[in-house]
Amino acid sequence: QSVLTQPPSVSAAPGQKVTISCSGSVSNIGDTYVFWYQQLPGTVPKLLIYDDDKRPSGIPERFSASKSGTSATLGITGLQTGDEADYYCGTWDSGLSAVVFGGGTKVTVL
Amino acid sequence: QVQLQESGPGLVEPSETLSLTCTVSGGSVSSPNTYWGWIRQPPGQGLQWIATIYHTGGTYYNPSLKSRVTISIDASENHFSLRLRSVTAADTAVYHCARLPDWPRAHFDYWGQGALVTVSS
Repeated sequence: QSVLTQPPSVSAAPGQKVTISCSGSVSNIGDTYVFWYQQLPGTVPKLLIYDDDKRPSGIPERFSASKSGTSATLGITGLQTGDEADYYCGTWDSGLSAVVFGGGTKVTVL
Repeated sequence: QVQLQESGPGLVEPSETLSLTCTVSGGSVSSPNTYWGWIRQPPGQGLQWIATIYHTGGTYYNPSLKSRVTISIDASENHFSLRLRSVTAADTAVYHCARLPDWPRAHFDYWGQGALVTVSS
C-alpha cells in the first residue's frame, strides 16, 4: 500500500484532457514539494514536474500540475498516443523520513 | 550531460548480498549540493526509494530497508554503490541509480538505465 494514493488508470481520446490525482497527508504533500514522473513503456522514469508545478526544460506545456492542501494533480491536455505511460507522484514524508511515491497511474489513449 | 550507469550481478541467491555500483560520467559525485540515490521497481510494480548519499558521507535510508542496506560513495572512482543484505525473492527488481539536485526531496533529475536483479537459487 503506497503512502500516496493515485488512481490505477485513466483514459481519454486523443486531443482530450486527463487529470491524475495524488492524495497524501500533512506530513508529505501538505508539507513539501511534489514531483511527477513519466515512465513510457520499457523505459526509465523521467522527471515531468518538479516543485509542485514547474516543468523541466523540454517538457511540453501540455503537462501541468497543481497542489492544494494534501492533494496534487497532474493534467495532460491535447492527449497524444505518445503520452501512454505510467505516471508517478513523489514527495518527502517528514513523518517517515523517507521519499515516498504513489502507486502509479496508467494513462491510456483510447 | 550527466550520465549514470548501473553495474553488478543480475542474479543473486537468496540470503546473499546484492551489490551494485553506479558510475557517473559528465559530472562529479563530489559536486556541491548534489546527492545520489537508488530507487527500485519490482516487475510490474511501482517505484520504491532505497537510499541517498552526499559526497561528504551523509546517508539517508528508507526505514523499511535500513537494517539491510548500505550506500557508499567513492569520489576517486566517481561512483557510488549499494549493498542489500539477506535478499529474498521480494528484492527482485530493476534497480536504478539517480542524481538528486537537492535534499530532502523526491527530486531525481538524471536516472541510470536500470539493472535487473533477480533473486533466485
